[in-house]
Amino acid sequence: DGGITQSPKYLFRKEGQNVTLSCEQNLNHDAMYWYRQDPGQGLRLIYYSQIVNDFQKGDIAEGYSVSREKKESFPLTVTSAQKNPTAFYLCASRWTGTDTQYFGPGTRLTVL
Amino acid sequence: AQSVTQLGSHVSVSEGALVLLRCNYSSSVPPYLFWYVQYPNQGLQLLLKYTTGATLVKGINGFEAEFKKSETSFHLTKPSAHMSDAAEYFCAVTQTGANNLFFGTGTRLTVIP
Repeated sequence: DGGITQSPKYLFRKEGQNVTLSCEQNLNHDAMYWYRQDPGQGLRLIYYSQIVNDFQKGDIAEGYSVSREKKESFPLTVTSAQKNPTAFYLCASRWTGTDTQYFGPGTRLTVL
Repeated sequence: AQSVTQLGSHVSVSEGALVLLRCNYSSSVPPYLFWYVQYPNQGLQLLLKYTTGATLVKGINGFEAEFKKSETSFHLTKPSAHMSDAAEYFCAVTQTGANNLFFGTGTRLTVIP
């Protein structure tokens, strides 16, 4: 089945620890995105990547880092510098020939 | 700059009644508009989109939306609500070739039996 997978679905971490969220797609999409979702605030763009080994900051990149070593993978690291990391994180991808982003199932991160 | 306003963070309808979820956008260039649906603890699923052409677009699950440039609106409708329609709905705007998809704050739809 083609699609976007995110793992794990739920993640708990202690304050001050870095944590990496996985996003993999087998849709052969060029562009990949990370969004953060908080209640009542919609989705906000953290980082995006249009090609391998290149990525751009979104609206709320502070405290996050990404890499794009393979077309299929776009992991997001939530660092200890992120002041309020508890949120629902959504990964999306898009074929650059269209304007539609498709979303993964999300990872809910809770920092204790 | 582009932005989206969704009027009403919560909407309740009776089963079988009309569903109307409102979305107004701001864009200085021709917009591409989307409606996504999100069920609890899940990702977003595309309901429908407007890019160019016909202004009335039909989507999955019986939903449709009409692009009205003069009103800068893209309201989502469904003639008859079903219990399975209970979810959160997001309107989003972008422009051709852009990477940033701007989302509204969402509308939670409750369907009353």
